[in-house]
Amino acid sequence: AQKITQTQPGMFVQEKEAVTLDCTYDTSDPSYGLFWYKQPSSGEMIFLIYQGSYDQQNATEGRYSLNFQKARKSANLVISASQLGDSAMYFCAMSSMDSNYQLIWGAGTKLIIKP
Amino acid sequence: DSGVTQTPKHLITATGQRVTLRCSPRSGDLSVYWYQQSLDQGLQFLIQYYNGEERAKGNILERFSAQQFPDLHSELNLSSLELGDSALYFCASSKAGGARNEQFFGPGTRLTVL
Repeated sequence: AQKITQTQPGMFVQEKEAVTLDCTYDTSDPSYGLFWYKQPSSGEMIFLIYQGSYDQQNATEGRYSLNFQKARKSANLVISASQLGDSAMYFCAMSSMDSNYQLIWGAGTKLIIKP
Repeated sequence: DSGVTQTPKHLITATGQRVTLRCSPRSGDLSVYWYQQSLDQGLQFLIQYYNGEERAKGNILERFSAQQFPDLHSELNLSSLELGDSALYFCASSKAGGARNEQFFGPGTRLTVL
């Protein structure tokens, strides 16, 4: 069965430092997609970055990059030069044929950036 | 701004009542998804529509129903409301299915049942 695991319920990081949010997944489908979303305290859910299972390069979007390690089934989100506005909940999600292409969500990590 | 709109933004009602939440997807997106997020909880997938047809069902209660109209907007109907239905309800849209189906979320409707 497909599963997403985010092992860090909460993290505190000093402003301007890089932060890595962990995500491991489990699927038997060779074709799948991995997604990260940000949910600030205001409540909206913001799409950040996507990684496909066949993508050769790690995905990057501005300050966000995805450390994709296929053999380890991990898809960690890296935020460089963290800012106070990065404080939010971060959710990892996966889509595959096994799940009929529905997003399977992790429990989330609450990130707090300290000034 | 994701391009997905949801109305109303806030809704306060009483137990036993019925409400309708409305969603307009991004231009060009055929799929609409509904999610429920209770306080400090993750997202619970409720239901998906694709081009007017129900595509997938998640943990949707029988008291809840949804539909997608020819203009692709969608409505989620919640009836016989209970206190536990208080939550943030999201609508999301995507172009189609497949593994790469980035879902773009609306701002949500915060439902409070008193």
